[in-house]
Parts: sequence; C-alpha cells; structure tokens
Amino acid sequence: QVQLVQSGAEVKKPGASVKVSCKASGYTFTSYYMHWVRQAPGQGLEWMGIINPSGDTTSYAQKFQGRVTMTRDTSTSTVYMELSSLKSEDTAVYYCARSLSRSQWLAPCHWGQGTLVTVSS
Amino acid sequence: DIQMTQSPSSLSASVGDRVTITCQANQDISNYLNWYQQKPGKAPELLIYDASNLETGVPSRFSGSGSGTDFSFTISSLQPEDIATYYCQQSDDFPLTFGGGTKVEIK
Repeated sequence: QVQLVQSGAEVKKPGASVKVSCKASGYTFTSYYMHWVRQAPGQGLEWMGIINPSGDTTSYAQKFQGRVTMTRDTSTSTVYMELSSLKSEDTAVYYCARSLSRSQWLAPCHWGQGTLVTVSS
Repeated sequence: DIQMTQSPSSLSASVGDRVTITCQANQDISNYLNWYQQKPGKAPELLIYDASNLETGVPSRFSGSGSGTDFSFTISSLQPEDIATYYCQQSDDFPLTFGGGTKVEIK
C-alpha cells in the first residue's frame, strides 16, 4: 500500500531554513507527482508546489517562489521540501501528498502524516 | 489565482440528516474539482475527484456534483464518524487552491 513517511517536527529561528523529507513506498516512485501543502494552526490548506520525481521538474506557487525548493532522490524514493528565510507566519504543518494517478496528477491523494515546523525566536 | 468560495463555513446537523456543502469558483474550472475530509489532527483524505467520482474505498453516502463554477458535496445520511472539516480544491490551474473549509458537527 502507498505510504508516505515524513521527517519529524522542527523548531527554527526566524531567518533560518528548514528541509522536510517525505519517503515514499508501496508504488513506483517516479510514476506519480508529489505535492506539498501546508496548514497553519487552525487554518485551511495552502498548496505550495509540485515535483515530478521522474524528471525533477517543479512548479511552485508564486507566494513561495524564491524561498522554496523541492527536490527528490530516486535512490531512496524520497522527496524534499526546503523553505528558507523562515518567518513566524511559516509556522504550520507541512504535508507531502502523492497525486491520485498519472492522469489526475493535480489531485493530491495519498498524504504523509505531516511535519510541524515551528518558527520562533 | 482561482478563488474558491465554500459555504457554509460550519454547520450542525443530526445523525441521519442530508448535508450539502457548496463550492464556487471565480472562473470556469470545468469539472476539475476535488473534495477532501480532514479530521482533527489528521491529514486530509480525498473523497471525490473530478467533481463527481468517488475515490476507492469511500462510502457511497458521499457524493459530488457540478461543473463550470458551481459545485456541491453531499452526505446523504450523516454519521458520527463524518465529523470533520471538508475542503474543496480546484485542479484546473496552478496554483492549486482550496476553499476555506466547512466544519461539520453533530447537533
């Protein structure tokens, strides 16, 4: 079965960077896109971007352009999301989510357990 | 960006009630509309994709309809385990955007 296991909670200071990992198993890693979505405490869902693990191509929400980098390691079936220049407003749970299928690649379907990133001085 | 307006923001209904949530896009998104359920402290789960297709394993009491700019999501008979926040999400264009969510509670 599809499993996405994310790295553990992080506490960072303003201005620092954080790198969250998402290890996939149970399917062919390079066949499905991976999304990153975040959720601030008590708030709704916010899409950050997407990576194609096959070609390493990415597309980021304009809001995060210049601050976010999504990468993958096919040897370990792991995708990474790095967010730099952290601010307190970046405090959130960050989720990776695999696309539903090759055709429905813009429907995040299988989700990781989430990684809480806290930005505090 | 495509704006998704969801209503109501919260509702309270009795077990067995029919519950409907609406989602409106500010431009035509064809049928590229998905619905998610999120229980407290958990990751969202995809229930409906492409407006009306039930994801594998999702109970048939959940359904979706609509196209263009107006969509609806229905729970035909509300169950205690359906207590959650529901989100719509457009998958027509980048950036993907979500509605603000509807919190469903038991009366």
